[in-house]
Amino acid sequence: DAKTTQPPSMDCAEGRAANLPCNHSTISGNEYVYWYRQIHSQGPQYIIHGLKNNETNEMASLIITEDRKSSTLILPHATLRDTAVYYCIVRVVSTTSGTYKYIFGTGTRLKVLA
Amino acid sequence: GAVVSQHPSRVICKSGTSVKIECRSLDFQATTMFWYRQFPKQSLMLMATSNEGSKATYEQGVEKDKFLINHASLTLSTLTVTSAHPEDSSFYICSVVRGIVTDTQYFGPGTRLTVL
Repeated sequence: DAKTTQPPSMDCAEGRAANLPCNHSTISGNEYVYWYRQIHSQGPQYIIHGLKNNETNEMASLIITEDRKSSTLILPHATLRDTAVYYCIVRVVSTTSGTYKYIFGTGTRLKVLA
Repeated sequence: GAVVSQHPSRVICKSGTSVKIECRSLDFQATTMFWYRQFPKQSLMLMATSNEGSKATYEQGVEKDKFLINHASLTLSTLTVTSAHPEDSSFYICSVVRGIVTDTQYFGPGTRLTVL
């Protein structure tokens, strides 16, 4: 089961900031939050990741709440090319084998409107 | 970011045949690769974890005898869909993991399989 929940869809006007929320209330203390996006019929593209501090790169900003139970991905000036499905993911670690994996939730389908 | 390739990008085959999909990490050695499957308008579903030099770990409900995974080198993992059927038609995507602490995944472009 996915460890994250996201709204299924959002619209954003071109040029405005897109704020995409994610709940990860069961995240453990040393696990990172990763964000990816997928444009139709392509492999997911890495955007950003973080542990507990806010992060920013050339693509986006990531705001993580102090209790780490939720985060928000911010695209500061959305363009039409940002229309995609955005996935928030945390890592799942097996308590028996110590191996890890990533489970995708349903993601948020962001549509940037002209 | 890492560069990951998949080959072929698109394949059409007849029912009952086997299809091999390659996933290559082009700019670093990956001890772990993941294979996902994605049906239209759905999210990615993890199929298996591919570990170099050892047997793959399959997710519950994924038939290991049908989806053969070989991770023979640190830059190559292959997924073979054996005796393919129309219900195996899907978008297959691999990813490689870079780094130890943050384990950022980088994904290949995907392979679209159509079984007639």
